[in-house]
Amino acid sequence: EAGVTQSPTHLIKTRGQQATLRCSPISGHTSVYWYQQALGLGLQFLLWYDEGEERNRGNFPPRFSGRQFPNYSSELNVNALELEDSALYLCASSTGRRLEQYFGPGTRLTVT
Amino acid sequence: AQTVTQSQPEMSVQEAETVTLSCTYDTSESDYYLFWYKQPPSRQMILVIRQEAYKQQNATENRFSVNFQKAAKSFSLKISDSQLGDAAMYFCAYSPEYGNKLVFGAGTILRVKS
Repeated sequence: EAGVTQSPTHLIKTRGQQATLRCSPISGHTSVYWYQQALGLGLQFLLWYDEGEERNRGNFPPRFSGRQFPNYSSELNVNALELEDSALYLCASSTGRRLEQYFGPGTRLTVT
Repeated sequence: AQTVTQSQPEMSVQEAETVTLSCTYDTSESDYYLFWYKQPPSRQMILVIRQEAYKQQNATENRFSVNFQKAAKSFSLKISDSQLGDAAMYFCAYSPEYGNKLVFGAGTILRVKS
């Protein structure tokens, strides 16, 4: 069974640009979660999508947004990039609420 | 708000020995889930073990076991017969019953000496 996949592996952008990160969940999983792992800040919850709807978001500004497609894959968009957005962005999927989440390898976003 | 605290930034263990990683959490909920995740240098987060708060029995997965003390809000991970491949950052995580996100601790770096 294929695990959670994320693309691209690395992404380099300049301040003010937009970044798009992609995630494909494990087959059969309908929930997708996004987390930011920034140096010194630990792992922070960003967004949760389930059945195509945004169900919850963490304490991040509106320039962090995303969507979930009918095939349950997901995109995370970060607009007006700032230097502090540089981080590893992890996507996870699960079969439903309260169940264990399985993580992808992450996308390393560098903002210069 | 729920918080998770890992008070050991770094731990070391000799190969084949046993090590215990500590985790405490704060919540006002009665039902929730707790997890230990491992993040090796490859950065891929791997689920190690999970514990449902309503279960009194401590979870066990091969060489990994937990000591869950609900009243003390403590959730430690014991790794027996440590192997070089166990070297990684270990994160304790909390998920509320009606929540849908994981709240992570700051992590503990585990070094395994041969």
